[in-house]
Amino acid sequence: EPEVTQTPSHQVTQMGQEVILRCVPISNHLYFYWYRQILGQKVEFLVSFYNNEISEKSEIFDDQFSVERPDGSNFTLKIRSTKLEDSAMYFCASTPDREETQYFGPGTRLLVL
Amino acid sequence: QKEVEQNSGPLSVPEGAIASLNCTYSDRGSQSFFWYRQYSGKSPELIMFIYSNGDKEDGRFTAQLNKASQYVSLLIRDSQPSDSATYLCAVNLKTSYDKVIFGPGTSLSVIP
Repeated sequence: EPEVTQTPSHQVTQMGQEVILRCVPISNHLYFYWYRQILGQKVEFLVSFYNNEISEKSEIFDDQFSVERPDGSNFTLKIRSTKLEDSAMYFCASTPDREETQYFGPGTRLLVL
Repeated sequence: QKEVEQNSGPLSVPEGAIASLNCTYSDRGSQSFFWYRQYSGKSPELIMFIYSNGDKEDGRFTAQLNKASQYVSLLIRDSQPSDSATYLCAVNLKTSYDKVIFGPGTSLSVIP
């Protein structure tokens, strides 16, 4: 069964460094998403992406964040200058149609020191 | 602020009992409603989705939607210890189908 994959599974970085989180959505899906979940807190929407552009973003998704689909398979989330409060689990999700179920990847656990 | 609310729990039920999980949402125009299960340290996994008022059954799971009351619930029949997890209610906003808002989750513990 097709699934969303994410790399790396864990990332440790120093405050102020740039990180890139990678996702490979399910191949026939058209809508892509990033969420984050701070330990012990709820899943928070960050951004949605369709047709090579951002379709919706939350107030969390400020200028430090960017997303890109550099080729036909990868979908990346870049954090330009990480802060301690960026430490969280980051989930990628994809769906064939935005009214349908989103399928989540296993997540990348980011720790900013 | 569009919110999705759930009782945080923990909700404890004995094995074989019915677990009832509840969710309310504030965006009256919401169209799509999802229940996800999340084990500790893992990603959310879809259990059920429902779009129309009424009940939707899938195996041991029944989702119930009442748009007038802005209420959605999940019933788990014949609860098993493997059902012990956090259950997340999620809602698509009518104003933006691209944005899914999650509730804080209800922790369920099924006691053998």
